[in-house]
Amino acid sequence: KNEVEQSPQNLTAQEGEFITINCSYSVGISALHWLQQHPGGGIVSLFMLSSGKKKHGRLIATINIQEKHSSLHITASHPRDSAVYICAFYRWGKFQFGAGTQVVVTP
Amino acid sequence: NAGVTQTPKFQVLKTGQSMTLQCAQDMNHEYMSWYRQDPGMGLRLIHYSVGAGITDQGEVPNGYNVSRSTTEDFPLRLLSAAPSQTSVYFCASSATGELFFGEGSRLTVL
Repeated sequence: KNEVEQSPQNLTAQEGEFITINCSYSVGISALHWLQQHPGGGIVSLFMLSSGKKKHGRLIATINIQEKHSSLHITASHPRDSAVYICAFYRWGKFQFGAGTQVVVTP
Repeated sequence: NAGVTQTPKFQVLKTGQSMTLQCAQDMNHEYMSWYRQDPGMGLRLIHYSVGAGITDQGEVPNGYNVSRSTTEDFPLRLLSAAPSQTSVYFCASSATGELFFGEGSRLTVL
């Protein structure tokens, strides 16, 4: 049973475009993580949020805990934003991860 | 502050060989975990630990052993490698909800 779903699975954008990635989950959680993985690279944590909105540079994450939905936005996208973006949450002693969204930003 | 350190980064094994993937963290985190990442499968939990002396199985534990004798170290052992264990392995640690990953270990079993 998959308790976390991401959409879209793949996304291609032109440089400068606004990108939105969605994460929906079906269980009660206290916080959600957004992670980034560049091709062939490690996984880094972008955000952990439990309510409202957080911003770091051109990345914005929002969450509605009651509606069980979070979004990650990339403003003014750049080819270096090309990566897999993964949402995750901690519940009952384990982290659960979405399948990831592959983002490709073309020049 | 090194964070989470995984070694080796790359390893090729023959079927039946054994090996240990090392994971160490210097942040005094109680929670540590091992994942494998396969194309189209996302991250799958192998084993995890909530503190020294405590380990538990995750989603895909078969063929892997772990131990946690210290807070810092959480090695993953492959007892008899199989081609199905070809994957990229990530170790992670966590405290107060923050999640930190190692750089990954790419394992190929021939």
